[in-house]
Amino acid sequence: QKEVEQNSGPLSVPEGAIASLNCTYSDRGSQSFFWYRQYSGKSPELIMFIYSNGDKEDGRFTAQLNKASQYVSLLIRDSQPSDSATYLCAVKAGGFKTIFGAGTRLFVKA
Amino acid sequence: DAGVIQSPRHEVTEMGQEVTLRCKPISGHDYLFWYRQTMMRGLELLIYFNNNVPIDDSGMPEDRFSAKMPNASFSTLKIQPSEPRDSAVYFCASGIINEKLFFGSGTQLSVL
Repeated sequence: QKEVEQNSGPLSVPEGAIASLNCTYSDRGSQSFFWYRQYSGKSPELIMFIYSNGDKEDGRFTAQLNKASQYVSLLIRDSQPSDSATYLCAVKAGGFKTIFGAGTRLFVKA
Repeated sequence: DAGVIQSPRHEVTEMGQEVTLRCKPISGHDYLFWYRQTMMRGLELLIYFNNNVPIDDSGMPEDRFSAKMPNASFSTLKIQPSEPRDSAVYFCASGIINEKLFFGSGTQLSVL
């Protein structure tokens, strides 16, 4: 079993819709959870992080964490074509060891 | 700050040759990570350092790979001998505990 799992997609949504990205992790001791965005040919950049169960909102982005279910999600409201990218879920386990999922490709159609 | 600096940006080499990838982390960051990214396997953690000391190298694929951090401002990842299956984008990232990672631009390695 992979430590961090994501659906590889592609996930295709129309402009203005809500995009929902999901991630599960295997280490119950994980403390911190991150969402990175990676445009084609570029390096990953952080868009959201969450430490506690529940929701965390930042602009059009909402991260959701359920530690009991070992599940993290990212919602993107009012999706824009510029949101088209690969979204990487990352989990910080012991120490500062940060493990990434394989990523979900998102396409937002204009 | 210039961010995390990696060199070279692109490396093309022949099977069996030695390859050295370089990274300069952001000043003040005490964690440094080396990742490898491929379409098939995604972003894999190879090794990470804290205060120049290797903490976890369990992701290093085999003895052909080695990494060093002689000081706080420089790290290398060496592959000797290189093989075609090592072809990937290699990223270096740095950070401070409990904060986000900052990634370099990556090195695109092609082993022919």
